[in-house]
Order: sequence, then C-alpha cells, then structure tokens
Amino acid sequence: EAGVVQSPRYKIIEKKQPVAFWCNPISGHNTLYWYLQNLGQGPELLIRYENEEAVDDSQLPKDRFSAERLKGVDSTLKIQPAELGDSAVYLCASSLDRPTEQFFGPGTRLTVL
Amino acid sequence: QKEVEQNSGPLSVPEGAIASLNCTYSDRGSQSFFWYRQYSGKSPELIMSIYSNGDKEDGRFTAQLNKASQYVSLLIRDSQPSDSATYLCAVNSQGGSEKLVFGKGTKLTVNP
Repeated sequence: EAGVVQSPRYKIIEKKQPVAFWCNPISGHNTLYWYLQNLGQGPELLIRYENEEAVDDSQLPKDRFSAERLKGVDSTLKIQPAELGDSAVYLCASSLDRPTEQFFGPGTRLTVL
Repeated sequence: QKEVEQNSGPLSVPEGAIASLNCTYSDRGSQSFFWYRQYSGKSPELIMSIYSNGDKEDGRFTAQLNKASQYVSLLIRDSQPSDSATYLCAVNSQGGSEKLVFGKGTKLTVNP
C-alpha cells in the first residue's frame, strides 16, 4: 500500500513570493491533515479535511494561507505571500477516520529567504 | 490551551537497556494516545497507539496509560542504536475539534 505522497520535498523561495504544496493521501483515507512543524517542536495542525469539507481550520492563518481538497482526495496548501517566519516543514497526514491513527507523508521543507 | 508535555531530553541509554519515555497531558477528556518516532530530517512514524488504561505491548515497545494521572509512557526494551530518534507523544484533544496535540518530543540516543 502506497503511503502519503507529498511534493515538492524541498522549496526555497524569496519572501513575498507564493508557494504551493501538494498532498495525495493513502487510498481510502477520508480524513486529511496539514501540519506545520518547526525545528524542535511537534507538528501543529493547520487544517483538517473530512472528504472535501474543511472541518477544522481554526489554526490556519487565513490572511495568507489557503487550502483546498476539491474532489475529496488530493489536497493543495498555498501560501501567498510567504514571509520569513513561514520557513518550516509542512506535513500532510491522512487517517481512515477521525481522529484515529494518522500516517504522515515525507513533508515539504520550505525555506523563505 | 490543551497541552502535552514531554521531557525534551536528550535521554541517553546504553545498547540493550530499557529506555523510558514519559508524557503528561492536560485534557481529561482525551481518549486516544499515540507515540510517533521521528528520525532526524524525516517525518513522524506511528509506532504505538493506546486507548485504554494499562499496558499495550508490541514487540520491544510497551505503551502504558494512566488516565487518572493523565500520564502515558513508552518503554523500549533491548534498546538498539537504530532506536535513536525523537519520540513524539500525541493526544487526542476533545472539545469539538478532535485534533491531535503533539508534545515537543524527547530525543533518545542509544549508545553502542
């Protein structure tokens, strides 16, 4: 069974530029999560989808961050414009049902210069 | 603010010893508890889940849960150098959002 797929694995951009991350969850997993992980910290939830519905986006900075999961499968997280403080690892995870065992993708390491 | 607390370490044990990792949480309504292993530069990998008070064993790993004390631990028996990693405790947070709250992790080093 294929795991959670994310791309790109690394991204370096200038501040104020836009950036997008893509995630394809484990087949059959209805719940998809986007997390942010800073160095030395645990992952922090940005948004949780159940199928195509965003059911928890309370921690998503909506002035610059947006996300979508149009067909209830893969998802895109966007930042526009990026700031220096956005440098972190962005992790996607999926689970068969909420809030059970979550499986993480490899993550995207973002560096904002 | 729901919190999950872990000793950041580093915790250093000799090869073959038992490594004991501890976690406390603040949300008394939590029902689901997880341990993730994260190697440097990699993403978290689920290694144990526990939902009921008591012990749960899986190979060299044992998770222990005490809801009354709001305490969950992970024991690693016969520690190997390949167990060297950061171990993240994650707790299901109630209150409507039902999200996982992660601790900062404990860095474990197993010395050959």
